[in-house]
Amino acid sequence: AQTVTQSQPEMSVQEAETVTLSCTYDTSESDYYLFWYKQPPSRQMILVIRQEAYKQQNATENRFSVNFQKAAKSFSLKISDSQLGDAAMYFCAYRRRGGTSYGKLTFGQGTILTVHP
Amino acid sequence: EPEVTQTPSHQVTQMGQEVILRCVPISNHLYFYWYRQILGQKVEFLVSFYNNEISEKSEIFDDQFSVERPDGSNFTLKIRSTKLEDSAMYFCAINKARGKTASTEAFFGQGTRLTVV
Repeated sequence: AQTVTQSQPEMSVQEAETVTLSCTYDTSESDYYLFWYKQPPSRQMILVIRQEAYKQQNATENRFSVNFQKAAKSFSLKISDSQLGDAAMYFCAYRRRGGTSYGKLTFGQGTILTVHP
Repeated sequence: EPEVTQTPSHQVTQMGQEVILRCVPISNHLYFYWYRQILGQKVEFLVSFYNNEISEKSEIFDDQFSVERPDGSNFTLKIRSTKLEDSAMYFCAINKARGKTASTEAFFGQGTRLTVV
């Protein structure tokens, strides 16, 4: 079974600074997707960024980028130029790809990010 | 317009009562999922549903839970006899189908907060 671990229950950052959230996972699969979801106080789940395991290039979305280390099974999220609106719970998630994949997501425990003005 | 809408946003019910949570997607030909998030904890997979049948279910999804698409549009989660520990946020999510596999991105509803008293 796949597992996803986020070892940082809480992180904080000053506005305009950079912060990195950590995520490790365990799987025997070679082809899969990894995601970061943001959950603000409204509790809506919002997709931040995704990475396909077969791609070596790290995904980027504006101020958000990932450091994907497939051999180490590590998938960290870097938020640059942090904004007050980035404050939320962040979840790392895994999904296998291909075969009879039904798209089930396995989530980590989450990291609460606080942004200080 | 969101890809998927959930109703109600908040439901309070007495222990032992039945509840039905609803999910309404915009598009057809979708994979459906229910996830649960107990307050302060991680998001847990309950069940996936495709082509009018359950594709996969977790250990949490026991006999007191059931899912269906009664009218080909709405997707419902029924809890037959609620317990205090069923109090949680319940999220519906969808993937658009591509043949027998699910598309990459999952769209989440805004969630239903279930409180069992």
